[in-house]
Amino acid sequence: AQSVTQPDIHITVSEGASLELRCNYSYGATPYLFWYVQSPGQGLQLLLKYFSGDTLVQGIKGFEAEFKRSQSSFNLRKPSVHWSDAAEYFCAVEDNYGQNFVFGPGTRLSVLP
Amino acid sequence: KAGVTQTPRYLIKTRGQQVTLSCSPISGHRSVSWYQQTPGQGLQFLFEYFSETQRNKGNFPGRFSGRQFSNSRSEMNVSTLELGDSALYLCASTPSGGHSTDTQYFGPGTRLTVL
Repeated sequence: AQSVTQPDIHITVSEGASLELRCNYSYGATPYLFWYVQSPGQGLQLLLKYFSGDTLVQGIKGFEAEFKRSQSSFNLRKPSVHWSDAAEYFCAVEDNYGQNFVFGPGTRLSVLP
Repeated sequence: KAGVTQTPRYLIKTRGQQVTLSCSPISGHRSVSWYQQTPGQGLQFLFEYFSETQRNKGNFPGRFSGRQFSNSRSEMNVSTLELGDSALYLCASTPSGGHSTDTQYFGPGTRLTVL
């Protein structure tokens, strides 16, 4: 079964600084990969997803992620963070059969003014 | 288009009771998935329903069950509640259930507290 790790439990960045959130997965083949964001008191919102093709994926709100097969990683990036980006971010993977959808433990992002 | 709605938003129950949570998907969406979110275990997949049939199931005991109606609305039931069932229960809908091809839209969740 696949698994997901997000090594950073909590990250703090200053507004305007760049951001990279790490995600590593374990799966025999290339899984489907996702990043979600959860703002306080809100449900989850899909930022972007990868399942084939170009390994650099563009998402909403200025986020992008890069799939690196050799490192089993799917890191999320944003060049300039806004205060409204403060939230919890979840990486998720799904197997190729659509039968196992697994979330990582999440990374909480704080943004300093 | 209205988003995914979940009712009630908050629930307080005592151990041993049972509870039913409701989820109304986005109009036209036929797949509904349920997730449990706790501080200790994070987000865990419970089950998915598509066209009134359970299509996938996570690793939860039989006390957790669900169903889907012909209008795609879904209910989740937890019997014989335990303290550890205290969680945020999230529901998500997609047009056809393929996470890779469809986008999951999540509701705001139902916060269940078991005393």
